[in-house]
Amino acid sequence: QKEVEQNSGPLSVPEGAIASLNCTYSDRGSQSFFWYRQYSGKSPELIMSIYSNGDKEDGRFTAQLNKASQYVSLLIRDSQPSDSATYLCAVMTGGFKTIFGAGTRLFVKA
Amino acid sequence: DAGITQSPRHKVTETGTPVTLRCHQTENHRYMYWYRQDPGHGLRLIHYSYGVKDTDKGEVSDGYSVSRSKTEDFLLTLESATSSQTSVYFCAIRDGSSGNTIYFGEGSWLTVV
Repeated sequence: QKEVEQNSGPLSVPEGAIASLNCTYSDRGSQSFFWYRQYSGKSPELIMSIYSNGDKEDGRFTAQLNKASQYVSLLIRDSQPSDSATYLCAVMTGGFKTIFGAGTRLFVKA
Repeated sequence: DAGITQSPRHKVTETGTPVTLRCHQTENHRYMYWYRQDPGHGLRLIHYSYGVKDTDKGEVSDGYSVSRSKTEDFLLTLESATSSQTSVYFCAIRDGSSGNTIYFGEGSWLTVV
């Protein structure tokens, strides 16, 4: 079992819709969780971090964490074509190693 | 901008040759990482460092070595390059002052022919 799992997609949504991206992780002791966005040919850039159960909102983005279910999600409201990218879920495990999922490709259709 | 530069940015090398990738940071971060990224596998941790001369293995360390003789520099060496090591290599730092967030360099594209 991979430590951090995501659906590879592609996930296709129309412009203005909500995109929902999901991630599960295996290490119950993990405390820090991150979502990154990566455009083709570029390095990953941080969108949001979340550390406690519940929701965290930042503009059009909402991260959700459920440690009991070992589940992290990212909602993108009012999706725009510029949101089309690969979204990476990352989990910091013991020893300050950060493990990434394989990423979900998102396409937002104009 | 986390002040991370990687060199070279692009390299083509032959099978069996040694290759060294350099990561340089300007903000005195203690933790530095090398990842590789391949289609279908995402980012995989190769090695990381938690201080000068302190390094540890990640998920895919076979065929790679690292060195950190100064806080600002973290070198990744492919001892004898193979075609399976054709990949994009990202250096990263951990910023403990921003919730342990990982920030990446721009990447090094390596092709082994």
